[in-house]
Amino acid sequence: EDQVTQSPEALRLQEGESSSLNCSYTVSGLRGLFWYRQDPGKGPEFLFTLYSAGEEKEKERLKATLTKKESFLHITAPKPEDSATYLCAVRTSGTYKYIFGTGTRLKVLA
Amino acid sequence: GAGVSQSPSNKVTEKGKDVELRCDPISGHTALYWYRQSLGQGLEFLIYFQGNSAPDKSGLPSDRFSAERTGGSVSTLTIQRTQQEDSAVYLCASRGGPNTGELFFGEGSRLTVL
Repeated sequence: EDQVTQSPEALRLQEGESSSLNCSYTVSGLRGLFWYRQDPGKGPEFLFTLYSAGEEKEKERLKATLTKKESFLHITAPKPEDSATYLCAVRTSGTYKYIFGTGTRLKVLA
Repeated sequence: GAGVSQSPSNKVTEKGKDVELRCDPISGHTALYWYRQSLGQGLEFLIYFQGNSAPDKSGLPSDRFSAERTGGSVSTLTIQRTQQEDSAVYLCASRGGPNTGELFFGEGSRLTVL
């Protein structure tokens, strides 16, 4: 069964303290891995798409990487405004369905 | 419009009543999805539309749930005889085409069933 698992469930960082969020997946065929940011009371906001192992994408303090089994979202020198829930999703070959993980709640303290 | 628009943003209803939730996707987006997000849970797939047809409605929890899309644009999710367990945020997303990956989400409709 296709599955997406995110860890940790919650993470507290001091401002400037870099860290990584993990998204591990088990799918029959990967047609894309997606990272989203979700603020309280809002819909998920698209961040990155990764399609093949070895691919990397960067945006400001965020960098997403992909292997054959997992993806990492690296946060460099985070700021309080980076506090949010980060969601990972996969789209599998042969379907139009996107499977979401339960997210990592990130809190960055000033 | 510029983004995916959902209404109402908040709906409080009594158990047993019917509710309709509306989604207006990004103009020109052919694919439309409905997801449900319960407190502390991940996004649960409900239904997928390509144009006006729904090739995958496997996530609809029961026959009290139905959805339609007209004119390849606006979609309505209807929940009949609401139950307390239907309380959740209902999210709509759209995608430009079969070979574009990203889903773009609306802000959601928060449903509370008393």
